[in-house]
Amino acid sequence: GENVEQHPSTLSVQEGDSAVIKCTYSDSASNYFPWYKQELGKGPQLIIDIRSNVGEKKDQRIAVTLNKTAKHFSLHITETQPEDSAVYFCAASKVGAGGTSYGKLTFGQGTILTVHP
Amino acid sequence: NAGVTQTPKFRILKIGQSMTLQCTQDMNHNYMYWYRQDPGMGLKLIYYSVGAGITDKGEVPNGYNVSRSTTEDFPLRLELAAPSQTSVYFCAGGQGPYEQYFGPGTRLTVT
Repeated sequence: GENVEQHPSTLSVQEGDSAVIKCTYSDSASNYFPWYKQELGKGPQLIIDIRSNVGEKKDQRIAVTLNKTAKHFSLHITETQPEDSAVYFCAASKVGAGGTSYGKLTFGQGTILTVHP
Repeated sequence: NAGVTQTPKFRILKIGQSMTLQCTQDMNHNYMYWYRQDPGMGLKLIYYSVGAGITDKGEVPNGYNVSRSTTEDFPLRLELAAPSQTSVYFCAGGQGPYEQYFGPGTRLTVT
């Protein structure tokens, strides 16, 4: 089955700095890669995702890059703010034609991001 | 949380007891999922459903059962609770196999 490794496990930055979290996956057939943000006591919230036919996607201060050859993808947060402090999870799944494989996500272990004011 | 609600928020069970975790969504999600999150770990898929009457096992289904009699509800049943089932349980839903929207979770302790 799929295996997703996420690094680093903790990341501490100063407000305004950039933060980068990296994930690698094992199954070359995986083609959907979402990132989730989880605040304390809450459920994960989808913040950005990328499909394998795209190399990069941006949404304001957040971007995700995908390298299919190397089987890794990364989350980039620029101009970090204290409210970005949370646990971030990457995930991977295979979605086939007609929706087969049903979006079964395999998650990384999570990164605790702390942004210091 | 995009209309996914879970009850209860917290529960303490004794070993061997049973319970049902409730999950309801009002966003017409066809796809629904149950995950568990152990401390310091990522989420693992327990069961999923792609529509009413259709369910299948995920990565860690042992000790659990699900049903999907309606589009809105996707309850998770624990039979004969064990300490290894102490975890936080999240239900998620989505229109299709891509974006998944999570509920607030149920924190379960088995002692």
